[in-house]
Amino acid sequence: DGGITQSPKYLFRKEGQNVTLSCEQNLNHDAMYWYRQDPGQGLRLIYYSQIVNDFQKGDIAEGYSVSREKKESFPLTVTSAQKNPTAFYLCASSIWGSEQFFGPGTRLTVL
Amino acid sequence: SQQGEEDPQALSIQEGENATMNCSYKTSINNLQWYRQNSGRGLVHLILIRSNEREKHSGRLRVTLDTSKKSSSLLITASRAADTASYFCATDGNQGGKLIFGQGTELSVKP
Repeated sequence: DGGITQSPKYLFRKEGQNVTLSCEQNLNHDAMYWYRQDPGQGLRLIYYSQIVNDFQKGDIAEGYSVSREKKESFPLTVTSAQKNPTAFYLCASSIWGSEQFFGPGTRLTVL
Repeated sequence: SQQGEEDPQALSIQEGENATMNCSYKTSINNLQWYRQNSGRGLVHLILIRSNEREKHSGRLRVTLDTSKKSSSLLITASRAADTASYFCATDGNQGGKLIFGQGTELSVKP
């Protein structure tokens, strides 16, 4: 059963804490992506990775970090440097240049 | 940066009517994609149209692309209440697999 999963579904963070969002795919895709979505808005690209052990900053990378040690996994850490982290985070994977497959999302709230 | 802009921002129609959404973009592209998002969920890919294509069909969906006007339209025929969702266009901006999303059209289909 192929797909892309994200966990947790809901996440609460206290100010000053780092939190890590999980993204796993078994679609054998080389490329993976992290997006942020704010209410009523489109998606903005945080980081992307074309291939394992390589990743690039997107449009809004400040306050976020990623790793890509395995093809299947692309975790996103929201650091305390991100001043307004409350948002809906979406992970996606694809063959580079083709349609993207999205996970169900993680809703992060700062308390 | 948001390259795609959808129009209208919101659309409310009756079941059985057709729904047309438009997307404009700024730079040259290799392809343009349309996605659907149900409230609080991940995005689902609907259709991809390449820059050398003018029209594409998939079931009740019809997408057109006019590269001279840098615009695309998505037509949903004989709409159903289940079509209620937000619809996003995304372009690759000639950057390969990196997508730039518009702000979306929120479609409401009333039974």
